[in-house]
Amino acid sequence: DVKVTQSSRYLVKRTGEKVFLECVQDMDHENMFWYRQDPGLGLRLIYFSYDVKMKEKGDIPEGYSVSREKKERFSLILESASTNQTSMYLCASSLGGATNEKLFFGSGTQLSVL
Amino acid sequence: QKEVEQDPGPLSVPEGAIVSLNCTYSNSAFQYFMWYRQYSRKGPELLMYTYSSGNKEDGRFTAQVDKSSKYISLFIRDSQPSDSATYLCAMSSSSNTGKLIFGQGTTLQVKP
Repeated sequence: DVKVTQSSRYLVKRTGEKVFLECVQDMDHENMFWYRQDPGLGLRLIYFSYDVKMKEKGDIPEGYSVSREKKERFSLILESASTNQTSMYLCASSLGGATNEKLFFGSGTQLSVL
Repeated sequence: QKEVEQDPGPLSVPEGAIVSLNCTYSNSAFQYFMWYRQYSRKGPELLMYTYSSGNKEDGRFTAQVDKSSKYISLFIRDSQPSDSATYLCAMSSSSNTGKLIFGQGTTLQVKP
């Protein structure tokens, strides 16, 4: 089974802090994604990556950056956390090619910014 | 107007009922249609995957896509308490990028 592991289940940070959310997948998937999930808004794509050192903006990239130095690891960075970034963050991966849409998700990180 | 609309519910049904979950969409370029199931405090997991129009059946689950009406459905037969979860529809265009547009999810509770 594909396993996508997010480093923290719950995280509490203060406004202005730099926050790192880590994600690791163990199935050699090409593609990795970061979504945030908010009540009433569903899942929204922040950033994604098709290859090492590649990144592309999703629908809501403002206030975030990403890093993919190794194929299995995709990090989401909040440069200066703000209260409106309080959310559930979900990392996902997919094999690539014709199965791009079959995403495997981690369990999520619930981030609270105070 | 959102690209994908989904009634958030909650939907409560007795065990054994047939459940119908639906999404409408506005982008005629969508070609790939998925249903994800999300249990409380877990990430979504892929339940059904269909390409273009038609039906797909997997056990108690049937996914239907009507591209002419821009409408997709998920039917659950003989619903069980273990089906209690949030169901998210998701779609993507023919560009096959893996970039999905999600509905906001429908919360389902199946009561024993």
